[in-house]
Amino acid sequence: AQSVTQLDSHVSVSEGTPVLLRCNYSSSYSPSLFWYVQHPNKGLQLLLKYTSAATLVKGINGFEAEFKKSETSFHLTKPSAHMSDAAEYFCVVSDLEDSSYKLIFGSGTRLLVRP
Amino acid sequence: DGGITQSPKYLFRKEGQNVTLSCEQNLNHDAMYWYRQDPGQGLRLIYYSQIVNDFQKGDIAEGYSVSREKKESFPLTVTSAQKNPTAFYLCASRTGKSNEQYFGPGTRLTVT
Repeated sequence: AQSVTQLDSHVSVSEGTPVLLRCNYSSSYSPSLFWYVQHPNKGLQLLLKYTSAATLVKGINGFEAEFKKSETSFHLTKPSAHMSDAAEYFCVVSDLEDSSYKLIFGSGTRLLVRP
Repeated sequence: DGGITQSPKYLFRKEGQNVTLSCEQNLNHDAMYWYRQDPGQGLRLIYYSQIVNDFQKGDIAEGYSVSREKKESFPLTVTSAQKNPTAFYLCASRTGKSNEQYFGPGTRLTVT
């Protein structure tokens, strides 16, 4: 069975400092991994996705994530936080062998950016 | 301008009433999904449909019903049997060529 664990429910950084949001996954097959961002009372926007190509994935707004199979991790990083990055971030896994293409969501990490 | 629309943005109902949430997409996507989001939790799958006139239960289907009569529409009915209907509901769609899902803006349902 697939699962996703986001290791921090809240992360607080100062504007201009690096961001690290941690995610570990469990998947029996070949996983697709995603990071989505949600601003308050909005839908979800895809930041980036990994689908068995390059292990370092670059996304929108300067975010990137590295797939580490040996550590079953897919942490999200950004070199320099901006106030507009304050939002909820979800790590998501999907099984490429599952024809339903269901997404399994982590519980989310709320990123706070201090001025 | 392609995308997914959900209406209304906010919905208020009395306990014991059924309510239907709208989801429309003009992306020509084959598959559509309904999720429920509660505070401090990730999204949980209610129902999904991969083709017209066919749908499957997700992880928390009890108290909900759906229909898929048209490719572009996937309405969700929250019935009076749903014990805790107050939540944020998100609709998503997916093209047949990818497992990436595109999300609508959501409907916040409050039942009192």
